[in-house]
Amino acid sequence: KNQVEQSPQSLIILEGKNCTLQCNYTVSPFSNLRWYKQDTGRGPVSLTIMTFSENTKSNGRYTATLDADTKQSSLHITASQLSDSASYICVVSAVTNSGNTPLVFGKGTRLSVIA
Amino acid sequence: EAQVTQNPRYLITVTGKKLTVTCSQNMNHEYMSWYRQDPGLGLRQIYYSMNVEVTDKGDVPEGYKVSRKEKRNFPLILESPSPNQTSLYFCASSLSRMNTEAFFGQGTRLTVV
Repeated sequence: KNQVEQSPQSLIILEGKNCTLQCNYTVSPFSNLRWYKQDTGRGPVSLTIMTFSENTKSNGRYTATLDADTKQSSLHITASQLSDSASYICVVSAVTNSGNTPLVFGKGTRLSVIA
Repeated sequence: EAQVTQNPRYLITVTGKKLTVTCSQNMNHEYMSWYRQDPGLGLRQIYYSMNVEVTDKGDVPEGYKVSRKEKRNFPLILESPSPNQTSLYFCASSLSRMNTEAFFGQGTRLTVV
């Protein structure tokens, strides 16, 4: 069964500190892996998208890594800001026989950045 | 501005009263889909559409219908809503189904009493 597991479930850090969020997946066949930021009650917003051949991608203070062999990804946030408080969702795109490419969503890591 | 627009943002309705949640995108995207998000669960796909007049079921399609008569619009229809359809709904679109960024709407919070 296609699954995406994220850890930790929640995290509290001080403003200015770095943090790393983890994602393990069992999705097959794999198409790509995405990280989204979701503010409470709002739609997810894309941070990065990586295909099988990419093992790192940055977007400002966000850096995502992908190890397709171990089926693990991480999202590193540098010099956190209060506005980084949100849920971070790891999403893996599969490929089905019907041609659909469903997005398999993790449950997210709830990050709180405090002053 | 490129965007996915859902309406309404909030809706409270009674069991059995048909409703439609609209979704419109202005990016000429081919691929559109509907998700629901419930506490403790990740987003789950309800229906998707690869292009005009091409729709298919996602993971949790029971109790929902969709249509794709025009490229920009992808309404979600609940013919006879039930309390277990109380949820936060998101519409998303992407240029194609492969390796392209998905843009999400702002969400529709539906309560069925």
